[in-house]
Amino acid sequence: DQQVKQNSPSLSVQEGRISILNCDYTNSMFDYFLWYKKYPAEGPTFLISISSIKDKNEDGRFTVFLNKSAKHLSLHIVPSQPGDSAVYFCAASAFQGGKLIFGQGTELSVKP
Amino acid sequence: DARVTQTPRDKVTEMGQEVTMRCQPILGHNTVFWYRQTMMQGLELLAYFRNRAPLDDSGMPKDRFSAEMPDATLATLKIQPSEPRDSAVYFCASGAGLAGYNEQFFGPGTRLTVL
Repeated sequence: DQQVKQNSPSLSVQEGRISILNCDYTNSMFDYFLWYKKYPAEGPTFLISISSIKDKNEDGRFTVFLNKSAKHLSLHIVPSQPGDSAVYFCAASAFQGGKLIFGQGTELSVKP
Repeated sequence: DARVTQTPRDKVTEMGQEVTMRCQPILGHNTVFWYRQTMMQGLELLAYFRNRAPLDDSGMPKDRFSAEMPDATLATLKIQPSEPRDSAVYFCASGAGLAGYNEQFFGPGTRLTVL
């Protein structure tokens, strides 16, 4: 039972354009959502998060949008850069327990 | 430069052998997590500890896996006996605050290959 799903295993984008990575969840108890970025041979690193009381959070080139009614979140990267090429994981947490449930990841490739 | 360290980085072993993976969390972090990354499942949570006490190990095959925190600076994950299906990258992560409610900091991982 995959509570957090990233349905696109890969995404290819041209440098300078927008990258949009999507994530869906099924558990309505989730109230905190995060995006992590992972380079090969390294552990994931935290990128940006959003609480369920918000519908948008922005940090530089990265913006996360949350649509609670659709149980959907997305990560926008504008403009995309070749250094953004990595695997992106979305994760969700409910207050109780606080453990993170991760999606399967989306591999982003930004081409010069 | 505070970071989570994991040893070994790579481990190749034969089926049936015991494997021990070690993790040093960031000093002051009170929550430690063990994850496994596979192509099919993505990042799966195996177990986590808060203040060295195990909180949840429901993601772990109990018959062969065990996780402990002998002290605040060391977490271990053992597999005995190991099987080829255990081949994966194992990550340790640590966090501060309530169950690592905020972002978790991951180590570089241990790539395990069981032949």
